Amino acid sequence: GAGVSQSPRYKVAKRGQDVALRCDPISGHVSLFWYQQALGQGPEFLTYFQNEAQLDKSGLPSDRFFAERPEGSVSTLKIQRTQQEDSAVYLCASIQGLAGGGYNEQFFGPGTRLTVL
Amino acid sequence: DAKTTQPTSMDCAEGRAANLPCNHSTISGNEYVYWYRQIHSQGPQYIIHGLKNNETNEMASLIITEDRKSSTLILPHATLRDTAVYYCIVRAISSGSARQLTFGSGTQLTVLP
Repeated sequence: GAGVSQSPRYKVAKRGQDVALRCDPISGHVSLFWYQQALGQGPEFLTYFQNEAQLDKSGLPSDRFFAERPEGSVSTLKIQRTQQEDSAVYLCASIQGLAGGGYNEQFFGPGTRLTVL
Repeated sequence: DAKTTQPTSMDCAEGRAANLPCNHSTISGNEYVYWYRQIHSQGPQYIIHGLKNNETNEMASLIITEDRKSSTLILPHATLRDTAVYYCIVRAISSGSARQLTFGSGTQLTVLP
């Protein structure tokens, strides 16, 4: 079956540009996470949605980062006025059930590699 | 979540067993050990998890010491496609709250032909 998809796979932005990264989770998955992965490091948590509600955004590094999931399915991570330190791979993961209630495997997309020049 | 310590890198010959260690000396009673792996240019992939008993599935085996302070992920017959970064993660399963994964730097396993 279809897994988590992300688009674009690669994005090059000039410093100061706004970018939007899209995540299509597995159909019917309730929970959705965004992670940021710097080169040579493990992924780091950014934000979490349960359906359309953003329940945790404690990992967002600044107010230039904004995420939404208006209909509880597709999610968009937006970065305004991109900086060079925003260069990273942005990963999306979805879970069938509610995160935390028993163990539900997180299914990850392939990520979007963002390069800010 | 308890901190984990893994070697930075390991090599393994194709067809041999790959044994990946993880130390988690501060693990608490309600924390599980999870393993994910990340093949180059892909997102992480769940492998296995356990609490205190050894676990086995079609991908790997997980051996947890009796004191639960360390564990070993075993890939019984490593193939070139098992070359990846392997992450050992310790966290509790709790209800009613978002539980993101906390990744460390992992172990880069290289399977050699």
